[in-house]
Amino acid sequence: ETGVTQTPRHLVMGMTNKKSLKCEQHLGHNAMYWYKQSAKKPLELMFVYSLEERVENNSVPSRFSPECPNSSHLFLHLHTLQPEDSALYLCASSQEWTGGREQFFGPGTRLTVL
Amino acid sequence: GESVGLHLPTLSVQEGDNSIINCAYSNSASDYFIWYKQESGKGPQFIIDIRSNMDKRQGQRVTVLLNKTVKHLSLQIAATQPGDSAVYFCAENSLGGANSKLTFGKGITLSVRP
Repeated sequence: ETGVTQTPRHLVMGMTNKKSLKCEQHLGHNAMYWYKQSAKKPLELMFVYSLEERVENNSVPSRFSPECPNSSHLFLHLHTLQPEDSALYLCASSQEWTGGREQFFGPGTRLTVL
Repeated sequence: GESVGLHLPTLSVQEGDNSIINCAYSNSASDYFIWYKQESGKGPQFIIDIRSNMDKRQGQRVTVLLNKTVKHLSLQIAATQPGDSAVYFCAENSLGGANSKLTFGKGITLSVRP
């Protein structure tokens, strides 16, 4: 596997629920990413953390709230989501944020919002 | 605006034949390119990368070709196997290595006929 794990793998939630997605990387990387993958669309970058500091926020609605407590862990807190937020949420990491580097992806969390 | 796109949505090949997957990009400042493979139920997996100071790079059964003149990238898979069936994405880093932000194409499905 890639060294990036995500839990849960599947999540079904109602629009009023609050849930969190978890990502952990075992590669010693300094940068971590959240992506949204919807059917027939390119991967959409949501957030980037470098050395636990958020360096990119791609106009993501506030109902998605990231958290990076240390360089190995990344969370995505979800609240009052909409059905159109149903998608595969992918976490990735790279050695550094600078320098144009390969990103390693986790298996994703398949989210369904009812 | 910048875009990274794939010419065809699906590609069907006979097992044992060579596969060629093409990708066009529009940003002439792009200097780092990656091919990813995504199997059903998994996250994208790195296949091979190439920097703009090269025009060809080979891996195990795969070759990436970069033509900067026409802004075209291709992935060649030799002796295609059933395990190669997946969605393939090209991605580019268009910021001169200032950061590792990647722009992804939509993906092309490779189907291998036995």
